[in-house]
Amino acid sequence: SQQGEEDPQALSIQEGENATMNCSYKTSINNLQWYRQNSGRGLVHLILIRSNEREKHSGRLRVTLDTSKKSSSLLITASRAADTASYFCATDAYGNNRLAFGKGNQVVVIP
Amino acid sequence: EAGVVQSPRYKIIEKKQPVAFWCNPISGHNTLYWYLQNLGQGPELLIRYENEEAVDDSQLPKDRFSAERLKGVDSTLKIQPAELGDSAVYLCASSLGLTPGGTGELFFGEGSRLTVL
Repeated sequence: SQQGEEDPQALSIQEGENATMNCSYKTSINNLQWYRQNSGRGLVHLILIRSNEREKHSGRLRVTLDTSKKSSSLLITASRAADTASYFCATDAYGNNRLAFGKGNQVVVIP
Repeated sequence: EAGVVQSPRYKIIEKKQPVAFWCNPISGHNTLYWYLQNLGQGPELLIRYENEEAVDDSQLPKDRFSAERLKGVDSTLKIQPAELGDSAVYLCASSLGLTPGGTGELFFGEGSRLTVL
Protein backbone atom coordinates (compact mmCIF):
# COMPACT_ATOMS: atom_id res chain seq x y z
CA SER A 1 0.00 0.00 0.00
CA GLN A 2 1.25 3.49 -0.79
CA GLN A 3 -0.50 5.14 2.10
CA GLY A 4 1.65 6.73 4.75
CA GLU A 5 2.07 5.34 8.20
CA GLU A 6 2.28 7.88 10.99
CA ASP A 7 4.33 7.47 14.12
CA PRO A 8 3.57 7.84 16.99
CA GLN A 9 -0.12 7.20 16.59
CA ALA A 10 -1.01 8.95 19.84
CA LEU A 11 0.78 11.81 21.53
CA SER A 12 -0.01 13.74 24.69
CA ILE A 13 1.95 16.89 25.53
CA GLN A 14 1.77 19.98 27.70
CA GLU A 15 0.84 23.31 26.21
CA GLY A 16 3.95 25.15 25.07
CA GLU A 17 5.88 21.99 24.24
CA ASN A 18 6.77 20.93 20.73
CA ALA A 19 5.01 18.01 19.04
CA THR A 20 6.76 15.89 16.45
CA MET A 21 5.17 13.18 14.36
CA ASN A 22 6.57 11.08 11.57
CA CYS A 23 5.22 9.54 8.41
CA SER A 24 6.72 6.77 6.32
CA TYR A 25 5.65 5.66 2.87
CA LYS A 26 6.64 3.04 0.33
CA THR A 27 6.98 4.31 -3.23
CA SER A 28 8.09 7.40 -5.15
CA ILE A 29 5.93 10.45 -4.67
CA ASN A 30 5.13 13.76 -6.36
CA ASN A 31 4.38 15.41 -3.03
CA LEU A 32 3.41 14.73 0.54
CA GLN A 33 0.72 16.66 2.38
CA TRP A 34 -0.28 17.03 6.03
CA TYR A 35 -3.85 17.55 7.16
CA ARG A 36 -5.50 18.21 10.52
CA GLN A 37 -8.89 16.90 11.62
CA ASN A 38 -10.70 18.11 14.69
CA SER A 39 -13.12 15.66 16.25
CA GLY A 40 -16.26 15.27 14.17
CA ARG A 41 -15.07 17.68 11.48
CA GLY A 42 -13.59 17.48 8.01
CA LEU A 43 -9.90 17.54 7.22
CA VAL A 44 -8.04 20.82 6.84
CA HIS A 45 -4.94 21.12 4.70
CA LEU A 46 -1.85 22.27 6.58
CA ILE A 47 1.11 22.07 4.26
CA LEU A 48 2.34 20.47 1.04
CA ILE A 49 5.95 19.56 0.39
CA ARG A 50 7.11 18.53 -3.07
CA SER A 51 9.47 15.65 -3.73
CA ASN A 52 12.29 18.04 -4.63
CA GLU A 53 11.94 19.99 -1.39
CA ARG A 54 13.55 19.03 1.91
CA GLU A 55 11.98 21.42 4.40
CA LYS A 56 9.05 23.77 4.52
CA HIS A 57 7.67 26.15 7.14
CA SER A 58 4.24 27.59 7.73
CA GLY A 59 3.72 29.56 10.92
CA ARG A 60 4.40 27.19 13.82
CA LEU A 61 4.61 24.20 11.48
CA ARG A 62 7.80 22.73 10.09
CA VAL A 63 7.76 19.82 7.68
CA THR A 64 10.74 17.85 6.48
CA LEU A 65 10.93 15.29 3.70
CA ASP A 66 13.62 12.67 3.20
CA THR A 67 12.89 10.87 -0.06
CA SER A 68 15.87 8.52 0.39
CA LYS A 69 14.30 7.22 3.60
CA LYS A 70 10.76 7.68 2.31
CA SER A 71 9.79 9.59 5.42
CA SER A 72 8.48 12.95 6.53
CA SER A 73 8.12 14.70 9.86
CA LEU A 74 5.73 17.36 11.08
CA LEU A 75 6.83 19.59 13.94
CA ILE A 76 4.39 21.84 15.74
CA THR A 77 6.24 24.34 17.90
CA ALA A 78 4.88 25.98 21.04
CA SER A 79 1.75 23.84 21.00
CA ARG A 80 -1.62 25.21 22.08
CA ALA A 81 -4.73 23.50 23.38
CA ALA A 82 -6.35 24.32 20.03
CA ASP A 83 -3.78 22.09 18.32
CA THR A 84 -5.54 19.05 19.83
CA ALA A 85 -6.59 17.07 16.77
CA SER A 86 -5.72 14.15 14.54
CA TYR A 87 -2.96 14.75 12.03
CA PHE A 88 -2.74 12.81 8.77
CA CYS A 89 -0.03 12.57 6.19
CA ALA A 90 -1.11 11.93 2.62
CA THR A 91 1.07 10.90 -0.27
CA ASP A 92 0.58 11.66 -3.93
CA ALA A 93 2.27 8.69 -5.56
CA TYR A 94 4.21 9.28 -8.76
CA GLY A 95 2.08 8.29 -11.75
CA ASN A 96 -0.96 7.62 -9.61
CA ASN A 97 -2.71 10.98 -9.12
CA ARG A 98 -4.35 9.54 -6.02
CA LEU A 99 -3.86 11.09 -2.59
CA ALA A 100 -3.53 8.25 -0.08
CA PHE A 101 -3.92 8.97 3.63
CA GLY A 102 -2.29 7.30 6.60
CA LYS A 103 -4.09 6.24 9.75
CA GLY A 104 -3.30 9.46 11.55
CA ASN A 105 -1.68 10.73 14.74
CA GLN A 106 -3.93 11.74 17.61
CA VAL A 107 -2.38 14.69 19.43
CA VAL A 108 -3.69 15.94 22.76
CA VAL A 109 -2.33 19.22 24.10
CA ILE A 110 -2.96 19.63 27.80
CA PRO A 111 -3.55 23.23 28.93
CA GLU B 1 -16.16 32.04 -0.19
CA ALA B 2 -18.28 29.02 0.70
CA GLY B 3 -16.48 25.79 1.40
CA VAL B 4 -17.45 22.28 0.40
CA VAL B 5 -21.00 21.63 1.51
CA GLN B 6 -22.27 18.17 2.37
CA SER B 7 -25.64 16.91 3.46
CA PRO B 8 -26.97 15.31 5.49
CA ARG B 9 -24.51 15.62 8.36
CA TYR B 10 -25.96 12.59 10.09
CA LYS B 11 -28.07 9.70 8.84
CA ILE B 12 -29.35 6.66 10.68
CA ILE B 13 -30.95 3.88 8.67
CA GLU B 14 -31.74 0.23 8.99
CA LYS B 15 -29.75 -2.30 7.01
CA LYS B 16 -30.98 -3.00 3.48
CA GLN B 17 -32.34 0.55 3.19
CA PRO B 18 -30.97 2.97 0.58
CA VAL B 19 -29.16 6.18 1.46
CA ALA B 20 -27.81 9.11 -0.53
CA PHE B 21 -25.28 11.80 0.25
CA TRP B 22 -24.95 15.09 -1.53
CA CYS B 23 -21.91 17.29 -2.05
CA ASN B 24 -21.48 20.77 -3.48
CA PRO B 25 -17.81 21.57 -4.12
CA ILE B 26 -16.08 24.91 -4.04
CA SER B 27 -16.96 26.98 -7.08
CA GLY B 28 -14.46 26.49 -9.87
CA HIS B 29 -13.05 23.24 -8.52
CA ASN B 30 -13.12 20.73 -11.34
CA THR B 31 -11.96 17.77 -9.29
CA LEU B 32 -14.27 16.16 -6.77
CA TYR B 33 -13.53 13.24 -4.44
CA TRP B 34 -15.57 10.94 -2.25
CA TYR B 35 -13.68 9.38 0.63
CA LEU B 36 -14.81 6.90 3.27
CA GLN B 37 -13.44 7.25 6.80
CA ASN B 38 -13.86 4.55 9.39
CA LEU B 39 -13.46 5.36 13.06
CA GLY B 40 -9.83 5.86 14.00
CA GLN B 41 -8.65 5.50 10.42
CA GLY B 42 -7.58 7.78 7.62
CA PRO B 43 -9.83 8.57 4.65
CA GLU B 44 -9.91 6.03 1.83
CA LEU B 45 -10.69 7.11 -1.70
CA LEU B 46 -13.92 5.82 -3.21
CA ILE B 47 -14.09 7.83 -6.42
CA ARG B 48 -12.51 10.86 -8.09
CA TYR B 49 -14.18 13.01 -10.74
CA GLU B 50 -12.59 15.34 -13.23
CA ASN B 51 -15.55 17.51 -14.22
CA GLU B 52 -18.32 14.99 -14.89
CA GLU B 53 -16.02 12.07 -15.67
CA ALA B 54 -15.21 9.44 -13.05
CA VAL B 55 -11.48 9.02 -13.64
CA ASP B 56 -10.69 6.82 -10.63
CA ASP B 57 -13.44 4.56 -9.30
CA SER B 58 -11.43 1.41 -8.81
CA GLN B 59 -12.11 1.38 -5.06
CA LEU B 60 -15.85 1.98 -5.29
CA PRO B 61 -17.81 -1.20 -4.40
CA LYS B 62 -19.97 -1.10 -7.46
CA ASP B 63 -22.37 -3.80 -6.38
CA ARG B 64 -24.01 -1.44 -3.90
CA PHE B 65 -22.37 1.96 -4.30
CA SER B 66 -22.97 4.41 -7.12
CA ALA B 67 -22.05 8.03 -7.69
CA GLU B 68 -22.83 10.70 -10.18
CA ARG B 69 -21.76 14.21 -11.04
CA LEU B 70 -24.06 14.98 -13.93
CA LYS B 71 -23.24 18.62 -14.67
CA GLY B 72 -19.70 18.59 -13.38
CA VAL B 73 -20.62 20.52 -10.25
CA ASP B 74 -22.41 18.85 -7.34
CA SER B 75 -22.33 15.13 -6.78
CA THR B 76 -24.39 12.39 -5.17
CA LEU B 77 -23.12 9.17 -3.59
CA LYS B 78 -25.67 6.41 -3.12
CA ILE B 79 -25.62 3.14 -1.24
CA GLN B 80 -28.29 0.55 -1.98
CA PRO B 81 -28.78 -1.58 -0.02
CA ALA B 82 -26.82 -0.46 3.02
CA GLU B 83 -25.04 -3.02 5.18
CA LEU B 84 -23.92 -2.81 8.80
CA GLY B 85 -20.31 -2.43 7.70
CA ASP B 86 -21.13 0.74 5.77
CA SER B 87 -21.36 2.69 9.00
CA ALA B 88 -18.68 5.36 8.58
CA VAL B 89 -18.15 8.99 7.69
CA TYR B 90 -18.41 9.84 4.00
CA LEU B 91 -16.23 12.80 3.12
CA CYS B 92 -16.42 14.90 0.02
CA ALA B 93 -13.48 16.99 -1.11
CA SER B 94 -12.71 19.21 -4.06
CA SER B 95 -9.61 20.71 -5.59
CA LEU B 96 -8.40 22.69 -8.56
CA GLY B 97 -6.89 19.46 -9.86
CA LEU B 98 -3.41 18.51 -10.84
CA THR B 99 -0.55 20.97 -10.56
CA PRO B 100 2.97 20.70 -11.98
CA GLY B 101 3.89 19.19 -8.61
CA GLY B 102 1.13 16.60 -8.59
CA THR B 103 -2.18 16.50 -6.75
CA GLY B 104 -2.83 19.84 -5.12
CA GLU B 105 -4.49 20.79 -1.88
CA LEU B 106 -7.83 19.14 -1.12
CA PHE B 107 -10.66 21.05 0.54
CA PHE B 108 -12.94 18.81 2.59
CA GLY B 109 -16.53 19.11 3.66
CA GLU B 110 -17.64 18.33 7.21
CA GLY B 111 -18.67 14.82 6.21
CA SER B 112 -21.83 12.75 6.41
CA ARG B 113 -21.89 10.29 9.30
CA LEU B 114 -23.84 7.15 8.46
CA THR B 115 -25.05 4.70 11.06
CA VAL B 116 -26.58 1.46 9.80
CA LEU B 117 -28.63 -0.46 12.37
